[in-house]
Amino acid sequence: DAKTTQPNSMESNEEEPVHLPCNHSTISGTDYIHWYRQLPSQGPEYVIHGLTSNVNNRMASLAIAEDRKSSTLILHRATLRDAAVYYCILRDAHGSSNTGKLIFGQGTTLQVKP
Amino acid sequence: NAGVTQTPKFRILKIGQSMTLQCTQDMNHNYMYWYRQDPGMGLKLIYYSVGAGITDKGEVPNGYNVSRSTTEDFPLRLELAAPSQTSVYFCASRSVSGTEAFFGQGTRLTVV
Repeated sequence: DAKTTQPNSMESNEEEPVHLPCNHSTISGTDYIHWYRQLPSQGPEYVIHGLTSNVNNRMASLAIAEDRKSSTLILHRATLRDAAVYYCILRDAHGSSNTGKLIFGQGTTLQVKP
Repeated sequence: NAGVTQTPKFRILKIGQSMTLQCTQDMNHNYMYWYRQDPGMGLKLIYYSVGAGITDKGEVPNGYNVSRSTTEDFPLRLELAAPSQTSVYFCASRSVSGTEAFFGQGTRLTVV
């Protein structure tokens, strides 16, 4: 499984945008980029995913570099409820390896200040 | 909507005891997973299953066993509990064609 690298922690002010980076220099052509977040004392929850193009949904946006070696999760207006650990994960969507396994790294702990 | 349900929520075990962590999902998902999360760390995959009757090891399977006799249930068995198994355990499921994995609320296990 290809590895991802994220900063251990980041801080943001409430109602400001947050850009959470992720490096994945060994990404393969069939790897999707997934983001999950884990609120305190809860299980992880899906945020967004993409392959090549930038993606938007009601929770966040995902910006993917042209060479796909990095990506950025964008929270447009951080709220106190967005304080969580954010995980960037690569998942191969094809072939016999498509078991849907998510291999988690350490993630980025996001603090949001009022 | 029940989703993925884990029981119990909390448990204290003595060293050498055994127990089964229950996980059930009502979404008819073929894929199910067990993870453990130690304090301040990311989740580690213990076992996974791609359908009833099929299971496979993940990153940290030692000390655990699983079975998958039905689509809905994926119990995790701890034999001879050790302090190193003190952790929070998460079960997850996903459909074959879906993207999103759904996680349970976790079971906090302490082995003393």
